[in-house]
Amino acid sequence: AQSVTQLGSHVSVSEGALVLLRCNYSSSVPPYLFWYVQYPNQGLQLLLKYTTGATLVKGINGFEAEFKKSETSFHLTKPSAHMSDAAEYFCAVSRSGGGADGLTFGKGTHLIIQP
Amino acid sequence: GAGVSQSPRYKVAKRGQDVALRCDPISGHVSLFWYQQALGQGPEFLTYFQNEAQLDKSGLPSDRFFAERPEGSVSTLKIQRTQQEDSAVYLCASSFRAREHYEQYFGPGTRLTVT
Repeated sequence: AQSVTQLGSHVSVSEGALVLLRCNYSSSVPPYLFWYVQYPNQGLQLLLKYTTGATLVKGINGFEAEFKKSETSFHLTKPSAHMSDAAEYFCAVSRSGGGADGLTFGKGTHLIIQP
Repeated sequence: GAGVSQSPRYKVAKRGQDVALRCDPISGHVSLFWYQQALGQGPEFLTYFQNEAQLDKSGLPSDRFFAERPEGSVSTLKIQRTQQEDSAVYLCASSFRAREHYEQYFGPGTRLTVT
């Protein structure tokens, strides 16, 4: 079964600093990987996804992630944090690897931005 | 265009009551997913529909949970004889089932509190 592990339930960075949220996956098939963001009392919004092809994926709001098969990682980064980035972030992997299936999510990382 | 909508947004039920949660997916989306998100956790997959066919219900926690999508559009998640452990946010997501466009769009969720 596919799974993801997010290291760090809370990450705190200063405004303008680099954001790094860690995600490692386990998959018996080539994975489809996703990062979602959740603001309070809202649904999840897709930040970016990796399916096939280029391993460096760019998403919305200046975020990007790099798929590293050798490290089974898909870490999320942003060069300069903004106060509006404060939210809960979830890494997810497709359950079947085929794309048309549900997702398995990590437990989430709460990103705190210090002024 | 309109996103995924869910109703009610909040539901309080007494233990033992039955509840029904509604999801209106994005028009034209053939895949529909239900997830359960406990407080402080990531969403957990419950079930998946392709049009009216329920292709995977392996995540439903017990036979008290039942989901349907009779006309391939609106879906209802029903929980019979609610228990306190059913308290969670129930998220619905839909997607246009094409491999290269695989992205799940989430609704705002229904927060169920069982007292």
